[in-house]
Amino acid sequence: DIVMTQSPDSLSVSLGERATINCKSSQSVLYNSNNKNSLAWYQQKPGQPPKVLIYWASTRESGVPDRFSGSGSGTDFTLTISSLQAEDVAVYYCQQYYSDPWTFGQGTKVEI
Amino acid sequence: QVQLQESGPGLVKPSETLSLTCTVSGGSISSYYWSWVRQPPGKGLEWIGYISDSGSIKYNPSLKSRVTISVDMSKNQFSLKLSAMTAADTAVYYCARRGYLDLWGRGTLVTVSS
Repeated sequence: DIVMTQSPDSLSVSLGERATINCKSSQSVLYNSNNKNSLAWYQQKPGQPPKVLIYWASTRESGVPDRFSGSGSGTDFTLTISSLQAEDVAVYYCQQYYSDPWTFGQGTKVEI
Repeated sequence: QVQLQESGPGLVKPSETLSLTCTVSGGSISSYYWSWVRQPPGKGLEWIGYISDSGSIKYNPSLKSRVTISVDMSKNQFSLKLSAMTAADTAVYYCARRGYLDLWGRGTLVTVSS
C-alpha cells in the first residue's frame, strides 16, 4: 500500500495569512505515460462529506477559490491557502488514486 | 446535477452483515468509478473499494475478505455489503464518484451495537 503522510497534524494561521500543508507518499504517484500525479486534496468541515479542492496534484476543481493551490510531483506535494479566510477552517486530506488501495493522509486541522 | 444518496440501516448488531445502497440521480451510473469510503467518528478517511464502469472491482485488502460491492444498472444504484460487523466498523459510510472523488453522498452513520 502507498502510505500518505501529512504534515503538520494541525495548523493555526491568522486571517489573511498563508497556510501550507505537506503530503508525502511512500512511493511515486506519477504516471509516466501522461506525466500526471494521481494526487487529490480535500476539505472537510464538521458534519459534511469531504469536498475535492485539487486533483492531478495541481488542477483546481471548478468553483474552488483561487486562493487554494496544489503543487508537487512524484512523492512530495503541497496544498497552499494563500490568504486564509474564516470559512477555510476545516480538516484537509490528501489522497492518492495511483494504485489500489487508494489511501488518504491522516488529515491536517486548520484553525484561525 | 448528479447527486448521490446512501441508504441503509443505521444500527447493525455485531456479527451481522451491513447492506448499504447508493442511488445515483441526475446522471448515469454506466460511466466512472464508484467507491465506498468510511470514516469512524472523529477519525480519518478509509477507502473501502470501487466498482468501475468496465465492471472491474477492487477492495481494500484490509477489508477484502468481508466486502462485496455490486452494481444494479437498471436502478442506477451500487451497493456495499460488509459482513461480520464489529464495533470497529462503526463509521459514517460515504459513496463517491471517480478516482479523485469529485462527488460524495452526504454519508450515513452506521453504529454496530447489540
